[in-house]
Amino acid sequence: NAGVTQTPKFQVLKTGQSMTLQCAQDMNHNSMYWYRQDPGMGLRLIYYSASEGTTDKGEVPNGYNVSRLNKREFSLRLESAAPSQTSVYFCASSSGTGASPLHFGNGTRLTVT
Amino acid sequence: GENVEQHPSTLSVQEGDSAVIKCTYSDSASNYFPWYKQELGKRPQLIIDIRSNVGEKKDQRIAVTLNKTAKHFSLHITETQPEDSAVYFCAASKGGADGLTFGKGTHLIIQP
Repeated sequence: NAGVTQTPKFQVLKTGQSMTLQCAQDMNHNSMYWYRQDPGMGLRLIYYSASEGTTDKGEVPNGYNVSRLNKREFSLRLESAAPSQTSVYFCASSSGTGASPLHFGNGTRLTVT
Repeated sequence: GENVEQHPSTLSVQEGDSAVIKCTYSDSASNYFPWYKQELGKRPQLIIDIRSNVGEKKDQRIAVTLNKTAKHFSLHITETQPEDSAVYFCAASKGGADGLTFGKGTHLIIQP
């Protein structure tokens, strides 16, 4: 099993460009999450999906959109990238709700110039 | 919502000594408290977790303690080794669909 797979690993964007970060899990998990990690800020929740067909905002959703394409896949889209979105993005999944361990992907390092 | 505070932000210990990282949480309804280890350039990985019906849990050199009354929990690492050097994150959840709230992390440095 691959676990949680994220693509791409690295990306450089110019301000105003758009892109989609892809995430897929093969553990048959119901819940999927997108976090961003900035130095000294820990991991902050952007959006989550408790089940196929549902998505909800987390702590820092502004500037992002998500799609839960099916049970396996959960994508994160930046419509008009800004330098403040320079970060490392982690996708994660869990079998249940918040009282379950998270399994993280390897992350995407995004730089917006 | 839940707020998790973690201290210290950096901890340097001699190899072989013990390390303790402390976290406090704000929501008394929280019932699940995992700890994650993140090595440089890698993803966070779960190392130990505890639920609110348990006061302490051990796994070899790692232990976690929980004080529900004071709303704090701690990670204890004994006989530290160079491979323990990493950033450690605590987290808390009350079981809602929004998953975990993380502390800001502790950079643990093991001095040879």
